[in-house]
Amino acid sequence: SQQGEEDPQALSIQEGENATMNCSYKTSINNLQWYRQNSGRGLVHLILIRSNEREKHSGRLRVTLDTSKKSSSLLITASRAADTASYFCATANDYKLSFGAGTTVTVRA
Amino acid sequence: ETGVTQTPRHLVMGMTNKKSLKCEQHLGHNAMYWYKQSAKKPLELMFVYNFKEQTENNSVPSRFSPECPNSSHLFLHLHTLQPEDSALYLCASSQVSVAGSAETQYFGPGTRLLVL
Repeated sequence: SQQGEEDPQALSIQEGENATMNCSYKTSINNLQWYRQNSGRGLVHLILIRSNEREKHSGRLRVTLDTSKKSSSLLITASRAADTASYFCATANDYKLSFGAGTTVTVRA
Repeated sequence: ETGVTQTPRHLVMGMTNKKSLKCEQHLGHNAMYWYKQSAKKPLELMFVYNFKEQTENNSVPSRFSPECPNSSHLFLHLHTLQPEDSALYLCASSQVSVAGSAETQYFGPGTRLLVL
């Protein structure tokens, strides 16, 4: 069943700008993960944040987690054309992941 | 490359055909997954195998039949599919922690299936 919901559904930005997308979920989690998918391809893991962590960085990516609000955000700084993709959050509270419907990000050159 | 391969990459089949999708992981993981991705819908988890034992069958129609002969290989056998089964089928693997929590999943490139 779907656990995470991303917002917005679609985002169009200029190269060099920052992109922010949010994920809300309903039940308690062990960790929350963000994935990227280029058109028609498999998903690529970006970052995992555990329920006892509040913020995590990886290169140009910054993820926050607020368990009291059951929400997470993914920030991509200084976007590039190659960042054009769909981004999914996934929540884990057992051995399964529950994915949201994703945010489609288009970076214009 | 993520260490998870899927074949074939594209498949067109009629409703009366039988075909199989294959997934192989080279990462030494103990869990493998089949997902279905349809346009504009969240990924749907179909089957989970933990240590080669099927631990999840998410109300998937019997025309989809999984097989996990060992911890590195996973198959999805297809029989008398319907046009609405056309989708991208993704395989993933992960190392499930001792506590049983899902860690990072590594996805294959997917099989794009078209049922005519």
